[in-house]
Amino acid sequence: AQSVTQPDIHITVSEGASLELRCNYSYGATPYLFWYVQSPGQGLQLLLKYFSGDTLVQGIKGFEAEFKRSQSSFNLRKPSVHWSDAAEYFCAVVSGRRALTFGSGTRLQVQP
Amino acid sequence: GAVVSQHPSRVICKSGTSVKIECRSLDFQATTMFWYRQFPKQSLMLMATSNEGSKATYEQGVEKDKFLINHASLTLSTLTVTSAHPEDSSFYICSARDSGISFEQYFGPGTRLTVT
Repeated sequence: AQSVTQPDIHITVSEGASLELRCNYSYGATPYLFWYVQSPGQGLQLLLKYFSGDTLVQGIKGFEAEFKRSQSSFNLRKPSVHWSDAAEYFCAVVSGRRALTFGSGTRLQVQP
Repeated sequence: GAVVSQHPSRVICKSGTSVKIECRSLDFQATTMFWYRQFPKQSLMLMATSNEGSKATYEQGVEKDKFLINHASLTLSTLTVTSAHPEDSSFYICSARDSGISFEQYFGPGTRLTVT
């Protein structure tokens, strides 16, 4: 069965610092991968997605992610974090029914 | 871009009553919609897959008689929580998949259900 692991439950970074959120997946075939962001009490906003092609994917708000098949990873990065980036981040993979299997999420806190 | 709406955004009901949540795709047709549930500070868990014109497919452990799903048109799916109890209090989020071949889903803003 498909699964997604986000090893970091909570990360704190200083504003302006770089960010990397880890995501590892377990899937037999070519995975279709997503990163979403959720602000408190809100729905999900898609940051970026990977279906095929270039393994470095650019998203919105200055985020990017790199698909590494050899490591079964799809880590999210941002070179310079802004205070407004504080939120919960979810990595997800398309499952058998075309639904999404989500990781447990990483809560990002940004220090001034 | 594709927009999915949910109504209501927030609802409080008494224990034993039923609540209906609507999920609409506003600018595209969705043959498949999904219902997720999110407990506080937790991830989203798939409850069921809703296909237009057919019965929903429920995930293991989800009571189909308690969580009634109807997908009567290509733009509307409803989730009815029957005989709600406090443990049903949660954040319910729907998503819709474009009828094309894309794997991308578009999420609604969610419905906060509180059962007193």
